[in-house]
Amino acid sequence: AQSVTQLGSHVSVSEGALVLLRCNYSSSVPPYLFWYVQYPNQGLQLLLKYTSAATLVKGINGFEAEFKKSETSFHLTKPSAHMSDAAEYFCAVSDRNTDKLIFGTGTRLQVFP
Amino acid sequence: DAGVIQSPRHEVTEMGQEVTLRCKPISGHNSLFWYRQTMMRGLELLIYFNNNVPIDDSGMPEDRFSAKMPNASFSTLKIQPSEPRDSAVYFCASSLVAELSYEQYFGPGTRLTVT
Repeated sequence: AQSVTQLGSHVSVSEGALVLLRCNYSSSVPPYLFWYVQYPNQGLQLLLKYTSAATLVKGINGFEAEFKKSETSFHLTKPSAHMSDAAEYFCAVSDRNTDKLIFGTGTRLQVFP
Repeated sequence: DAGVIQSPRHEVTEMGQEVTLRCKPISGHNSLFWYRQTMMRGLELLIYFNNNVPIDDSGMPEDRFSAKMPNASFSTLKIQPSEPRDSAVYFCASSLVAELSYEQYFGPGTRLTVT
């Protein structure tokens, strides 16, 4: 069965610093992978997705993620954090047998001035 | 497109009362998902529908919870009777399940408080 593990429930960075949010997946078939962002009091919004095309995926707001099969990872990065990036981020993997998305437990990103 | 629409946005009710949450998916989407989010348990999938048919309701916590999707543009999640531990944010999401396209689009959620 597919699963995702997000290392670090909280990550804090200074404004302008590199953002790195970690996600490792487990899947018996080539996965589709997603990153979602949730701002306070809002629903989840799709940041980017990997669907077996290019391994480096660019998303909205300057975020990108790299699919590494050898490491079973799909880490999310942004070169320079902005205060508006403060939110909770969820990694997810598709379960193509059931059409469900399997979500990680989330990582809360704090950005300090 | 207006996105996924949920109503009400906030609901405060007393224990024992019936609560009905509503969802309008994105037009043309063929799958609909109900989630619950709490601090303690995170994001939980309650039930999902494909082409208006319930496919997996294993996440529904107990018989007090029921969900329907009478047509492609409307779904309800009902709790009867409600209990304080049902307090959470309930999200509806929809997707068009097709090759290379499994992403879900979430509504703004309904914040339920049961006193």
